[in-house]
Amino acid sequence: DTGVSQDPRHKITKRGQNVTFRCDPISEHNRLYWYRQTLGQGPEFLTYFQNEAQLEKSRLLSDRFSAERPKGSFSTLEIQRTEQGDSAMYLCASSLGRRQGASGYQETQYFGPGTRLLVL
Amino acid sequence: RKEVEQDPGPFNVPEGATVAFNCTYSNSASQSFFWYRQDCRKEPKLLMSVYSSGNEDGRFTAQLNRASQYISLLIRDSKLSDSATYLCVVNQAGTALIFGKGTTLSVSS
Repeated sequence: DTGVSQDPRHKITKRGQNVTFRCDPISEHNRLYWYRQTLGQGPEFLTYFQNEAQLEKSRLLSDRFSAERPKGSFSTLEIQRTEQGDSAMYLCASSLGRRQGASGYQETQYFGPGTRLLVL
Repeated sequence: RKEVEQDPGPFNVPEGATVAFNCTYSNSASQSFFWYRQDCRKEPKLLMSVYSSGNEDGRFTAQLNRASQYISLLIRDSKLSDSATYLCVVNQAGTALIFGKGTTLSVSS
């Protein structure tokens, strides 16, 4: 157990429904990442936050996806009007990032157990 | 071309064997390198970071060749419990991790 928790662990929904997932990072971690993993693939980056600011979004993150981290602690990922292609494991990771020198940055990302989404 | 490429395997080896996994990455600006382990239907877990000087952690040895943009992982004296998918991971400073597809290892008795 890395200390990162996700809820729910499993979600089955019908196409067209909205779903929301929650991630609680390790408490002192300032960065929070969302990834998506489909069968036979490695995790793919979706978006990340530093504290409450959303700093980067992948082109994978269509306008049906929205993520928030309102108080710089837990984060939610919402998918609106789900499609069958959204079926995947959604992974959250947190890290404590530190600047190292002029251009370096040190962090280790710790993953939560993931939320498995099945869209019927 | 994928940013991180790995041989997907599967690698099927007997207990006690030595097995090596290779990985190449395309972005020369990559600064950090890792091997993660992922068990079936579980989250990825950090196995080890990879440094230019090479590093060892028990039965596991990781090597990085920046000139060739090549990363390797060597597992000696394989155990049944080593059976998993091994993910090669790179990133630039302070950015998202870029994962390979993973290499599946199956160790049998």
